[in-house]
Amino acid sequence: DTAVSQTPKYLVTQMGNDKSIKCEQNLGHDTMYWYKQDSKKFLKIMFSYNNKELIINETVPNRFSPKSPDKAHLNLHINSLELGDSAVYFCASSPGQGAHNEQFFGPGTRLTVL
Amino acid sequence: AQKITQTQPGMFVQEKEAVTLDCTYDTSDPSYGLFWYKQPSSGEMIFLIYQGSYDQQNATEGRYSLNFQKARKSANLVISASQLGDSAMYFCAMRSGHLGGYNKLIFGAGTRLAVHP
Repeated sequence: DTAVSQTPKYLVTQMGNDKSIKCEQNLGHDTMYWYKQDSKKFLKIMFSYNNKELIINETVPNRFSPKSPDKAHLNLHINSLELGDSAVYFCASSPGQGAHNEQFFGPGTRLTVL
Repeated sequence: AQKITQTQPGMFVQEKEAVTLDCTYDTSDPSYGLFWYKQPSSGEMIFLIYQGSYDQQNATEGRYSLNFQKARKSANLVISASQLGDSAMYFCAMRSGHLGGYNKLIFGAGTRLAVHP
């Protein structure tokens, strides 16, 4: 009964390739997110969606394109991968946008760009 | 500007003792939420505890408690009776309404805790 799932867990690819990471939540939440954790473990928001609509795009390069086909899914597509894109990408969801709403995280996808 | 500061890159504690992990925050919004997450070496992010800015009492969840000092803008995590399985990275995070910030968590740099037998 995984609450927030991501696939794949590991992704190794060459520079310049295009890749996608999928995220699904079965919690019935309205809001979903993508975070990036760099090699120093620092976590930073990339995107936030509420009811399939983009709410936050935190100055992420336009090579990154999130897609939310429905409330339960938020996929991340990355074009022309660069070495600096190597990181762990976390998907998360929350019941709503209020300050009190806990965010539930997926297991993360470790992306390595060679 | 919204900011979370964790000044302890690493801490260690003896098994069965209590440990406090420091967190200070900065926001101009009166309504905000403070969270602690644990990230073990396996990598997943595990929610531990939440404190709302209007909560009168400090939050507690089992062996975890949050020492919330609003005037000092601090939200320290206290882990009582440490266990070997508590060894992990711990992140303090905040959601506030400033500039639409409800829609994201802002994280501190994390504190790596090592529990020694």
